Order: sequence, then structure tokens, then C-alpha cells
Amino acid sequence: AQSVTQLGSHVSVSEGALVLLRCNYSSSVPPYLFWYVQYPNQGLQLLLKYTSAATLVKGINGFEAEFKKSETSFHLTKPSAHMSDAAEYFCAVDALGGTSYGKLTFGQGTILTVHP
Amino acid sequence: DAGVTQSPTHLIKTRGQQVTLRCSPKSGHDTVSWYQQALGQGPQFIFQYYEEEERQRGNFPDRFSGHQFPNYSSELNVNALLLGDSALYLCASSSDLLDIQYFGAGTRLSVL
Repeated sequence: AQSVTQLGSHVSVSEGALVLLRCNYSSSVPPYLFWYVQYPNQGLQLLLKYTSAATLVKGINGFEAEFKKSETSFHLTKPSAHMSDAAEYFCAVDALGGTSYGKLTFGQGTILTVHP
Repeated sequence: DAGVTQSPTHLIKTRGQQVTLRCSPKSGHDTVSWYQQALGQGPQFIFQYYEEEERQRGNFPDRFSGHQFPNYSSELNVNALLLGDSALYLCASSSDLLDIQYFGAGTRLSVL
């Protein structure tokens, strides 16, 4: 079975400050990992994905995430927050092997607030 | 190139009724997955369709059923609606099981 835990349901930062959203996963097989962003009343937009290549993954809008197998973590970071980054962020895992391909398991989400 | 489109955008039903939600995948995509997102929660996987057959299913009761058509579009049907079925229903499409899933804007279902 696979699971995702996002630490912190709400994160608040000042504009220009570092953004750090935490995600830990559990998977019995090598996972694919994703970060999605959801703006109010919209669907999910992919920010970035890890698929067993480079452990540091760069995504859209200046976001990046690092896969750390020893810590079972996939934290999302952005060096300088922008007001437009305010949204809800979801970490998701798709465990390879068996019949789990394409079945995303999401975390509970982290709402990011950016203050001027 | 149109992305994933879902209809209707909003829907209000009463308990016990049945509902059908529709999804058109992104051009070139043949796999459609459905997710339920309750308020304040992350999306939960309902099921996935590929080649007009249900390939995988999450932990949802048989009241939830689906269909995929030859043009790869899909429907989600929910029978005997419960208040707890109120949620945002998201459709996602991909070109194969290992590809990125692209999400539609969702259908918000309210059960009164």
C-alpha cells in the first residue's frame, strides 16, 4: 500500500521568502512522485514529477523538489515566493509494479498563503 | 489543443437520485481516471478506464460505476446518492499508464 503525508495543512510566507512544503511518502516499491497545484475553483495542474531519474527535479514557476529515498521525502521548494503562488498544493505518489500504475494517492494538501 | 473537459460544471441533486458526469480527455489520450475530492481533502481515486474497460478501482462502493466510449470519452455514474457524495469530481487523462495525468476543472456535485 502507498500513502502520502503532507506536514502542515497551512503554510504562510512573506512575498520574496523561501517556500518549503513538506511531503513524506510510503511505498513498498520504487515510486513516481508528483506535486500538483490547485487554484480556487479549478482542477489540478502538474508542477513537477520524479520518475527515478535525477533526484532534484525542476518544475514550472520556479518550483523544485528533491527526492530523498533515505528520508522517504519529496519536499517542494521555491527560493522566492510570489503573490501568485497562493494556492493549495498536493503531493501524490504512484507506486510502480503490480496494478498500481496510474493510480495516484494524494496527500491532504497544504494551503500556501503569501503575504505582501 | 483542448485539455480535459468535464460537464456539467455544477450539479445539485437530492438524496437517492442518480447522476451522470462526463469527461472528454485531452487529444491523443486513451486512459481516463476519476477522482473524488471532498471539501478540504486530497483527491481519492475512484477508478480508471482503458480500452473501454475498467482497469483499476479504488475503495468505492458499487454505486459508483463508469463507462468509456470508443472515442475515449468517459462517464461516471453514481446511483442512490448520499449526502456524503457531495464533492468535486475530477477527471484525469493520460496517454498511457506511466504518463502524466492531466486534470479537468471538475464537476462540483451537491447532494441535498
